[in-house]
Amino acid sequence: DADVTQTPRNRITKTGKRIMLECSQTKGHDRMYWYRQDPGLGLRLIYYSFDVKDINKGEISDGYSVSRQAQAKFSLSLESAIPNQTALYFCATSKGDSLIETQYFGPGTRLLVL
Amino acid sequence: GESVGLHLPTLSVQEGDNSIINCAYSNSASDYFIWYKQESGKGPQFIIDIRSNMDKRQGQRVTVLLNKTVKHLSLQIAATQPGDSAVYFCAEKGGNNRLAFGKGNQVVVIP
Repeated sequence: DADVTQTPRNRITKTGKRIMLECSQTKGHDRMYWYRQDPGLGLRLIYYSFDVKDINKGEISDGYSVSRQAQAKFSLSLESAIPNQTALYFCATSKGDSLIETQYFGPGTRLLVL
Repeated sequence: GESVGLHLPTLSVQEGDNSIINCAYSNSASDYFIWYKQESGKGPQFIIDIRSNMDKRQGQRVTVLLNKTVKHLSLQIAATQPGDSAVYFCAEKGGNNRLAFGKGNQVVVIP
């Protein structure tokens, strides 16, 4: 969905490096999410934000941090990357005042940590 | 290629046949359910949703059935096409207001 974009789309980094993944949306949604996806597993929630500067931990937040300085942007950082953080990372957005809360996903970032 | 489908249950369907994809959910308090489709190299895409006060909902070529008694959700795709080849996830929204995703089912359409 072009309304939710992620950069970079692919990234190779080395163990111990700090990296940042960016997510931008033009849907006007107030809620944003970061997930990771590993082969054969479902999506697991890392962090989520219901508004600017609101940050909440998900299932697997250790080793990650996020920043929400603007409604349209939500960035995910790996402070010191390790090989088991190799995965597909997805950003998603939803409209918070809706009872149904469908989440809309970006195209994903493929991260490889060597 | 995309590796998200590895180790997933796989449904092979002849083009033109109907597909049924099943999902068992865990939380009896969940009040909202979504089916997503994920094609190779792409993010999950919303297909159809259903609230817990319904047992059936129809979209274009897709139908979702909800059986709350046995906590079971199914997605039916009519007249399956090659473009329907993908991984399909169910998701449930529980009391914590977050979505919990199933592991997914791989659908392979045979031309």
